[in-house]
Amino acid sequence: GAVVSQHPSRVICKSGTSVKIECRSLDFQATTMFWYRQFPKQSLMLMATSNEGSKATYEQGVEKDKFLINHASLTLSTLTVTSAHPEDSSFYICSARRRYGYTFGSGTRLTVV
Amino acid sequence: AQTVTQSQPEMSVQEAETVTLSCTYDTSESDYYLFWYKQPPSRQMILVIRQEAYKQQNATENRFSVNFQKAAKSFSLKISDSQLGDAAMYFCAYSSQGGSEKLVFGKGTKLTVNP
Repeated sequence: GAVVSQHPSRVICKSGTSVKIECRSLDFQATTMFWYRQFPKQSLMLMATSNEGSKATYEQGVEKDKFLINHASLTLSTLTVTSAHPEDSSFYICSARRRYGYTFGSGTRLTVV
Repeated sequence: AQTVTQSQPEMSVQEAETVTLSCTYDTSESDYYLFWYKQPPSRQMILVIRQEAYKQQNATENRFSVNFQKAAKSFSLKISDSQLGDAAMYFCAYSSQGGSEKLVFGKGTKLTVNP
């Protein structure tokens, strides 16, 4: 139980295009979803907290206009990287708060060429 | 703001031996949660063990146990009878009991298990 499905697992896009990453909670309702970014051999850096039906809360230094987060339902949160550039290439992971911990998606490896 | 520090970037252990990974944290809160997560090469984050700050008893999960020292703000992970499958990045993490409940991660410790 408590599965978060994240898609796509990897995506390659051209510079200047937008990419959408989806996270779905399959067997529970996720009122809050967290989005992380992870560079190679580094820790997870929290980008934003998305709450169902309200605006996301972004961490300091994260461009809200570049990383659009939508949490329109209790089972779906999306992260859209707009006008992607090579420096946006990274591993993105979503996570949902559960009663006894946090459940993570399997991550999305984004490569911008 | 809360911070989590893992002072060991890399650790190694022989198969079947015991290894301890260190973690310290800084907070002014009295109620919170601490976690150890494992991230294997697949990069899937896997919960290893969880500790509630109000509980004095150290959490255990099979071969994994913690040494939680609240006053010292220390939360180390002990892995007994290490197995090859234990090789991974291990992240210590903190979350508040209320509020945004976001997870704050340490920088991680890369554990190598030698056969």
